[in-house]
Amino acid sequence: DQQVKQNSPSLSVQEGRISILNCDYTNSMFDYFLWYKKYPAEGPTFLISISSIKDKNEDGRFTVFLNKSAKHLSLHIVPSQPGDSAVYFCAASFVPIPSTSGTYKYIFGTGTRLKVLA
Amino acid sequence: EAGVTQFPSHSVIEKGQTVTLRCDPISGHDNLYWYRRVMGKEIKFLLHFVKESKQDESGMPNNRFLAERTGGTYSTLKVQPAELEDSGVYFCASSILAVQETQYFGPGTRLLVL
Repeated sequence: DQQVKQNSPSLSVQEGRISILNCDYTNSMFDYFLWYKKYPAEGPTFLISISSIKDKNEDGRFTVFLNKSAKHLSLHIVPSQPGDSAVYFCAASFVPIPSTSGTYKYIFGTGTRLKVLA
Repeated sequence: EAGVTQFPSHSVIEKGQTVTLRCDPISGHDNLYWYRRVMGKEIKFLLHFVKESKQDESGMPNNRFLAERTGGTYSTLKVQPAELEDSGVYFCASSILAVQETQYFGPGTRLLVL
């Protein structure tokens, strides 16, 4: 049973416009969330993260929003650029206790392929 | 600084054969993880090393999979004997001890079992 879901397998956006990628999760105990970007034949690259104690985190053109009541995570890219075309994975984790040991096991969604059109 | 490297990049083997995948983490990263992505599905956790010790191997599918990290540097993941359902992309990731939450991934090994 999939705990992290990305229901849109693909998304096309015009260059300069906003890209919004969505992610839903089922386990309310998740307390750390991340977005990774993946280009073909490469591994996932860390993009941005958010702790469950926050509802927004921003890094340049990338903003992640967390709605805990809805168990929903989204990634906004503004403005979108052709180089942003990639597969985006959201991931969730439990913070191990204690946080200095234990394992951050990422639970990934199936990915959304973003295509930014020039 | 070199990233996480994995070898080989691709492997095609027949059912019943043995394959060994290697991962070299970023220098100084004590945490090392293995993940797997089966065709079109999500990336799934396999196991986690802290230095040479297995911290969590709850994601290993069965006893045909053996992971080692001798000396706490590189790691190997052996599949013996390989089955058709083992096909997929095997990713390795690493992180520093103090910031485990941000993991850096390698390019993956694409394994095809025929």
